[in-house]
Amino acid sequence: AQTVTQSQPEMSVQEAETVTLSCTYDTSENNYYLFWYKQPPSRQMILVIRQEAYKQQNATENRFSVNFQKAAKSFSLKISDSQLGDTAMYFCAFMSTADRGSTLGRLYFGRGTQLTVWP
Amino acid sequence: DTEVTQTPKHLVMGMTNKKSLKCEQHMGHRAMYWYKQKAKKPPELMFVYSYEKLSINESVPSRFSPECPNSSLLNLHLHALQPEDSALYLCASSQEGQPYQPQHFGDGTRLSIL
Repeated sequence: AQTVTQSQPEMSVQEAETVTLSCTYDTSENNYYLFWYKQPPSRQMILVIRQEAYKQQNATENRFSVNFQKAAKSFSLKISDSQLGDTAMYFCAFMSTADRGSTLGRLYFGRGTQLTVWP
Repeated sequence: DTEVTQTPKHLVMGMTNKKSLKCEQHMGHRAMYWYKQKAKKPPELMFVYSYEKLSINESVPSRFSPECPNSSLLNLHLHALQPEDSALYLCASSQEGQPYQPQHFGDGTRLSIL
């Protein structure tokens, strides 16, 4: 079974600063996908960034970037120039290609990191 | 605005009531999902529909009954629920037949069982 571990239940950062959220996972597969979702108090799960395991280049989306270390099975999220609107629960998620018999992806979530951005 | 619409946003029901949660998407996605999420926990997968057919049932109690009337709609029928079923219920959808596609989530229905 796939497992996803987020070791930081809570983190805080001052506005405009940089913060890194950690995520590790366990899998025996070689090809898979990794995601970071954020869930603000409004409840909707919003996709922040995604990474394909066979791509060595780290994904970047504006202020959000990842540090993907495949050998170490690590997938951390860096948020630069933090904004008050970044306050949310952040979930790291793993999608196995082996489950995708019909290309349907099953998501395995970590337990989440609650990020608070202070003014 | 979310592209996956869930109604109602809040629902309070007694243990003997029958109610339904609804989910709708018009992105042409052929896979739809129901998740249950307790406070400060990650979502737990309940059901997956692929091309309107139930493909995954994560051993969910029969008091939860999913239905997919067409490719845009997904319902979750509720009957004789227990207080521990109080949670946020999230619907999601994704494209089929692509190299990979992330799931798009709705805002959820906050369910409280009295």
